[in-house]
Amino acid sequence: GQNIDQPTEMTATEGAIVQINCTYQTSGFNGLFWYQQHAAEAPTFLSYNVLDGLEEKGRFSSFLSRSKGYSYLLLKELQMKDSASYLCAVRAHLNTGFQKLVFGTGTRLLVSP
Amino acid sequence: DSGVTQTPKHLITATGQRVTLRCSPRSGDLSVYWYQQSLDQGLQFLIQYYNGEERAKGNILERFSAQQFPDLHSELNLSSLELGDSALYFCASSVLGTGGDEQYFGPGTRLTVT
Repeated sequence: GQNIDQPTEMTATEGAIVQINCTYQTSGFNGLFWYQQHAAEAPTFLSYNVLDGLEEKGRFSSFLSRSKGYSYLLLKELQMKDSASYLCAVRAHLNTGFQKLVFGTGTRLLVSP
Repeated sequence: DSGVTQTPKHLITATGQRVTLRCSPRSGDLSVYWYQQSLDQGLQFLIQYYNGEERAKGNILERFSAQQFPDLHSELNLSSLELGDSALYFCASSVLGTGGDEQYFGPGTRLTVT
């Protein structure tokens, strides 16, 4: 089975840096995604990691440690529009030979002026 | 705009009823996924279709069923509706059928069961 843990809520100030952690336990792990979801809107893809290390994409970076079952999403130079939920999703092999994404419950980030 | 379309945007119905949600994937995508998102839960994977065939099943109830048509659009049928079925239902699509590539989400259908 799969188990994914993220903090429920975080707050930060405009212009600051925030790190959102995700820990997971899963069989057949084969990659980790981060999605952003504004309230009642569709999730949108932010980043993907399959190897250990840091992936940087503009103001957003994502880190993965497979041995520790740990990832984080780093958001720099926070803007008000970054207020959203951030979903960690683990890709796992199924015994059918295919794969599926399993989503965490998300971290609600509130950015204040 | 992800290119994935879903209709209707909102749906209000009574317990015991049956509804059909519709999804059209991005042009060129062969895989369609259905997810349910309740207030207190994350995205729950329901089912995946690839080029018309069921590929993977998640936590989908027996009262729910889905299919993907030759033109690749998909429908999710929810029957004998209960109050607890009230949720946002998202459809997503991707190019591959393996289930592990980046998924593009539609705007969702908000279902309210009264």
